[in-house]
Amino acid sequence: GQQLNQSPQSMFIQEGEDVSMNCTSSSIFNTWLWYKQEPGEGPVLLIALYKAGELTSNGRLTAQFGITRKDSFLNISASIPSDVGIYFCAGQKASGSRLTFGEGTQLTVNP
Amino acid sequence: GAVVSQHPSRVICKSGTSVKIECRSLDFQATTMFWYRQFPKQSLMLMATSNEGSKATYEQGVEKDKFLINHASLTLSTLTVTSAHPEDSSFYICSARDPVRSTDEQFFGPGTRLTVL
Repeated sequence: GQQLNQSPQSMFIQEGEDVSMNCTSSSIFNTWLWYKQEPGEGPVLLIALYKAGELTSNGRLTAQFGITRKDSFLNISASIPSDVGIYFCAGQKASGSRLTFGEGTQLTVNP
Repeated sequence: GAVVSQHPSRVICKSGTSVKIECRSLDFQATTMFWYRQFPKQSLMLMATSNEGSKATYEQGVEKDKFLINHASLTLSTLTVTSAHPEDSSFYICSARDPVRSTDEQFFGPGTRLTVL
């Protein structure tokens, strides 16, 4: 079953605002990944994190791998309407092993 | 690079019939492919891991005789939903790993929406 707790479940924000979402787990993951899924599409990888404490940016997106290896967060700065979608965290316990997904955060950006 | 396609994108079938969904890696060879199911407003749930040339490994609670997986080549895996029922209606998504590029990253297909009447 699902092992990752992702919050918040949904967010309604104004264009230009910053967004933060996070995932926590009761167990350790060695890789954390953040995906975005748009309606009727498969997930697209945004950021991959491989080391505890790692902070990685991809444009307006920044993600961090928690030092305990049990959590990760994703920040989106200066949101724009095209940021709308569902954001999923995913954890991987070992290289090449299966992914475990969080429940997702539905982001709505009002122009 | 690392493009994964699925066919069909949408399918509607009658209860009791079987439906085949294809997952292809277009520009790389995928030794491992994954099949997920996603119900509305829910997360992706792994159904099975498909390795080229061997039997798929199914997750607990997934009926292997109902969801037949074949991974006969390095670029194609198929999922057949046998004797489909309305409760099988869902969004089915495959993913594939490119072992040359990365052992960790999974590239996802666009999904197949299955509706069973």
